[in-house]
Amino acid sequence: QQQVKQSPQSLIVQKGGISIINCAYENTAFDYFPWYQQFPGKGPALLIAIRPDVSEKKEGRFTISFNKSAKQFSLHIMDSQPGDSATYFCAASPEGSGTYKYIFGTGTRLKVLA
Amino acid sequence: ETGVTQSPTHLIKTRGQQVTLRCSSQSGHNTVSWYQQALGQGPQFIFQYYREEENGRGNFPPRFSGLQFPNYSSELNVNALELDDSALYLCASSHPGRETQYFGPGTRLLVL
Repeated sequence: QQQVKQSPQSLIVQKGGISIINCAYENTAFDYFPWYQQFPGKGPALLIAIRPDVSEKKEGRFTISFNKSAKQFSLHIMDSQPGDSATYFCAASPEGSGTYKYIFGTGTRLKVLA
Repeated sequence: ETGVTQSPTHLIKTRGQQVTLRCSSQSGHNTVSWYQQALGQGPQFIFQYYREEENGRGNFPPRFSGLQFPNYSSELNVNALELDDSALYLCASSHPGRETQYFGPGTRLLVL
């Protein structure tokens, strides 16, 4: 119940295309859902985050879509660029624990072809 | 850049040894979390420190311990190293009461 399931494991997209990564969770106590981007040899960097009271959030080329009833959320990268090639992690954090313990998905390795 | 730094960047130890990893958080971020990231996996929460006290722990044995200091620096100590402890160790700092965590670049530990 503490898991966050992420798919696909890897993704290849043409430059200019849309990259879509999906995550699903079981624990309804989760109330904060960030996405992180990680380049080889670097720590994860926050891309965008959402709370369950919002169905969509957009920042630049990155959009999170959130379906509370289905307990699913997804990251859309519009106009994907070769510089977006990285590993993407979704995460979830439980509400009110006072401990912002992130549960991470297993990651999606994105490759954008030039 | 997140303003979170970690040292060393790489470390090689042998089984049974002890290791100390260090993290320097952003100024004002008095909450620090440590994560273990095995190769090809997502980070796994080890524990969190707030105001120099442990404030939540993941599913890691007591040989993983930590310290947090008033100057926003912290340490992760691992005793009796095992081969499976080989991983990237990440620290993340956050502002009190805020969920967003800012990660450092990590320390890659190899246990032989």
